[in-house]
Amino acid sequence: EPEVTQTPSHQVTQMGQEVILRCVPISNHLYFYWYRQILGQKVEFLVSFYNNEISEKSEIFDDQFSVERPDGSNFTLKIRSTKLEDSAMYFCASTLPGQGYEQYFGPGTRLTVT
Amino acid sequence: DAKTTQPTSMDCAEGRAANLPCNHSTISGNEYVYWYRQIHSQGPQYIIHGLKNNETNEMASLIITEDRKSSTLILPHATLRDTAVYYCIVRVALLSNDMRFGAGTRLTVKP
Repeated sequence: EPEVTQTPSHQVTQMGQEVILRCVPISNHLYFYWYRQILGQKVEFLVSFYNNEISEKSEIFDDQFSVERPDGSNFTLKIRSTKLEDSAMYFCASTLPGQGYEQYFGPGTRLTVT
Repeated sequence: DAKTTQPTSMDCAEGRAANLPCNHSTISGNEYVYWYRQIHSQGPQYIIHGLKNNETNEMASLIITEDRKSSTLILPHATLRDTAVYYCIVRVALLSNDMRFGAGTRLTVKP
């Protein structure tokens, strides 16, 4: 069964460093999302992406964040200058236009900023 | 999107049916009910969704009341691997709409 994959599973970085989190959405999906979950808190929406541009973004998704689909398969989230409070699980999701537009999530990348 | 109310936690005996309720009294006519679950810190897993009819798939059944103000997710024969946080989400089915996760119900399946 097709699934969303994410790499790396765990990323440790120092404050102020740039990180790129990678996702490979399900191959025929057209709409992509990033969410994050700080330990012990709710899953929060960051950004959605369609047709090579951002469709929606939350207030969390500030100028430190950017997304890109550099080729036909990868979808990346870049954090330019990480802060301690960026430590969280980051989940990628994708969906295919259809009746319910249900989203399918990847296993996540645990980002630890020290 | 309409808000949902779920119990904080529930227990279920292994092999028995787990019935997880959700209230969504302000649901609009074009909003679907979705259920996801999250096992430990894994990515949320899609379970099922419905608009107004009851739905069943290989994982679960979704029962939506006639007035659509509440729903129940049924896991017919719960196993220990079904221990997870279950989220009920109400949302208009549009590509641009994100999933708004609440606190969910922590289901513990006990041997």
